[in-house]
Amino acid sequence: GAVVSQHPSRVICKSGTSVKIECRSLDFQATTMFWYRQFPKKSLMLMATSNEGSKATYEQGVEKDKFLINHASLTLSTLTVTSAHPEDSSFYICSARDAGGPTDTQYFGPGTRLTVL
Amino acid sequence: QKEVEQDPGPLSVPEGAIVSLNCTYSNSAFQYFMWYRQYSRKGPELLMYTYSSGNKEDGRFTAQVDKSSKYISLFIRDSQPSDSATYLCAMGSEKLVFGKGTKLTVNP
Repeated sequence: GAVVSQHPSRVICKSGTSVKIECRSLDFQATTMFWYRQFPKKSLMLMATSNEGSKATYEQGVEKDKFLINHASLTLSTLTVTSAHPEDSSFYICSARDAGGPTDTQYFGPGTRLTVL
Repeated sequence: QKEVEQDPGPLSVPEGAIVSLNCTYSNSAFQYFMWYRQYSRKGPELLMYTYSSGNKEDGRFTAQVDKSSKYISLFIRDSQPSDSATYLCAMGSEKLVFGKGTKLTVNP
């Protein structure tokens, strides 16, 4: 149980294009999902908290107009990197909180590696 | 002082060894503590979680939390090559704060 999927697993795009990443909780409902970014040999950096049916809460320094988050259902959140640039290349990971489970824990997706040329 | 400090290693041990991984933290408001395992180019996988000081055991893994010292540990007994991964400590309340991760290699 507690499986989170992400799609795509890897994407390469040209500078200036937009990329959408999907995060799905497969066997539980997630009222809250989180989006992280991870650089090589660095810790996970929380970008934003996504709550179903409401606006996402962004961490300080994260541009909300660049990283658009939509959490339209209890099992799906999307992150759209708009007008991507090479410095946006990174490993993006989502997690979902299983509020209905015995513990309030986050389960992570497998990640999406974005390369912007 | 960073909220969570974790020695990045790398740590290399022979198969069968006992591994000790540690994190310290500064925020006494943290309510729960977790250990995640992350294989290369994959998302983190939840290994252990705990809410209180003390020990929690699950198979070959033991998580230890000492809130008075703001110190948590993960012990791996009879380590296996398949345990080779990066181990991340995480803690918090509403949001998780992660350590940088310790890269572990278990040599056959």
